[in-house]
Amino acid sequence: AQSVTQPDIHITVSEGASLELRCNYSYGATPYLFWYVQSPGQGLQLLLKYFSGDTLVQGIKGFEAEFKRSQSSFNLRKPSVHWSDAAEYFCAVGDSGGGADGLTFGKGTHLIIQP
Amino acid sequence: EPEVTQTPSHQVTQMGQEVILRCVPISNHLYFYWYRQILGQKVEFLVSFYNNEISEKSEIFDDQFSVERPDGSNFTLKIRSTKLEDSAMYFCASSGIIQETQYFGPGTRLLVL
Repeated sequence: AQSVTQPDIHITVSEGASLELRCNYSYGATPYLFWYVQSPGQGLQLLLKYFSGDTLVQGIKGFEAEFKRSQSSFNLRKPSVHWSDAAEYFCAVGDSGGGADGLTFGKGTHLIIQP
Repeated sequence: EPEVTQTPSHQVTQMGQEVILRCVPISNHLYFYWYRQILGQKVEFLVSFYNNEISEKSEIFDDQFSVERPDGSNFTLKIRSTKLEDSAMYFCASSGIIQETQYFGPGTRLLVL
């Protein structure tokens, strides 16, 4: 069974500083990987995704993520955070095996931006 | 830009009552999903739906739950007899083709008293 681990429950970053949110997955084959962001009281917005090809993927709002098969990781990065980036971030893995399984989400990382 | 919509945004119900949560997926999408998020916890997959039948379901999706696509646009989740532990945010999602990106709606917050 697939699983996703986000080891950091909370992260506090100063505005303008760089950010890295960690995500490790467990999956038998090459997974489909996603990062979603959830602002308070809002739904899930897709930041970026990895299906195949270039292991460094660019997303919206200046985010990027790198797929590292050897480390089973898909960490999310941003060079300079803005106060509006404060939110909950979820890493998710999807089934590349052909079924219509739902996504498996990590528990999320709560990002706090301090002035 | 097309988006998934959900109604109502909030619903309060009494334990044992039936609730129906509604979703309008993106119009040319073929795969539909329901997820739930209990307060403070991670998002959990409930069920996927394709070609007018359930494609996959999780162990959470027991006999109290059902899904339906009653017409060409709506996708519903029914909880037959709600329990306190059904209180959660319920998200609908849709995708154009299998294994493609799932786009999520804003959610329905269900509170069971």
